[in-house]
Amino acid sequence: GAGVSQTPSNKVTEKGKYVELRCDPISGHTALYWYRQSLGQGPEFLIYFQGTGAADDSGLPNDRFFAVRPEGSVSTLKIQRTERGDSAVYLCASSPGTGNSPLHFGNGTRLTVT
Amino acid sequence: DQQVKQNSPSLSVQEGRISILNCDYTNSMFDYFLWYKKYPAEGPTFLISISSIKDKNEDGRFTVFLNKSAKHLSLHIVPSQPGDSAVYFCAASSQYKLSFGAGTTVTVRA
Repeated sequence: GAGVSQTPSNKVTEKGKYVELRCDPISGHTALYWYRQSLGQGPEFLIYFQGTGAADDSGLPNDRFFAVRPEGSVSTLKIQRTERGDSAVYLCASSPGTGNSPLHFGNGTRLTVT
Repeated sequence: DQQVKQNSPSLSVQEGRISILNCDYTNSMFDYFLWYKKYPAEGPTFLISISSIKDKNEDGRFTVFLNKSAKHLSLHIVPSQPGDSAVYFCAASSQYKLSFGAGTTVTVRA
C-alpha cells in the first residue's frame, strides 16, 4: 500500500517568505506527527494530531509555525516569515493511533531558506 | 534536554561480523523503544521495537536488548551485510511521542 507522502520534496525560499509543506498520511491512520531534522541530529518533535485536533503542539519553536489537519487526513505545516535557521528536513509520520505502534515516516521536505 | 543519547556517531564493521549499536536514555517514563534505519534522502524506516516489559526482542538478523535498570538498550545485527550501511536512530516513547537520539552511521566493509 501507499506510504506517507510529502510534497514538495525540496523547497528553496527567501528569508521572510511564507511556505507550506504538505503531508498525506497512510490511509486510516488517525495519528499524524511533524518532526524536524537538522544536519547531524535526530528528528525533533514539532506537533502531534489525533484526528483533526492538535493534541500536542509543544514542539513548535515559535508562533511563526502552525499546522492544520482539517479533515483528519492530509496535514499542512505552515511557516511564516521564514528565517535561515528554519532550514532543515521536515518529516511527517503517521500511525494507527492505538497502543504502542511504530511511526511510519515520509521521505521529508528539505527546506532551504536563503 | 536530550533524553535519548547515542554516544557513538559512527561504527565500521566488516561484512559478516556483528554490529552492536548502543543507546542510553534518561526518562524513566519511557515504556516503548524502537530502532529506525535511514538511508540518504529517505525518511527513517522502522526496524525493530521492544516494550519495557521485555528485555529482548529478536527479528531475523536484528536483536534489541533492553536493560531498564541501566536505562540502556542496544541493537545487534548479525551477520552484518553491505545493505545495512545506513544511519541508525534509537527512539523512545512515553504515551504517543517519540524522542530520538542523534544517530549512529554504520558502514559495513566488504
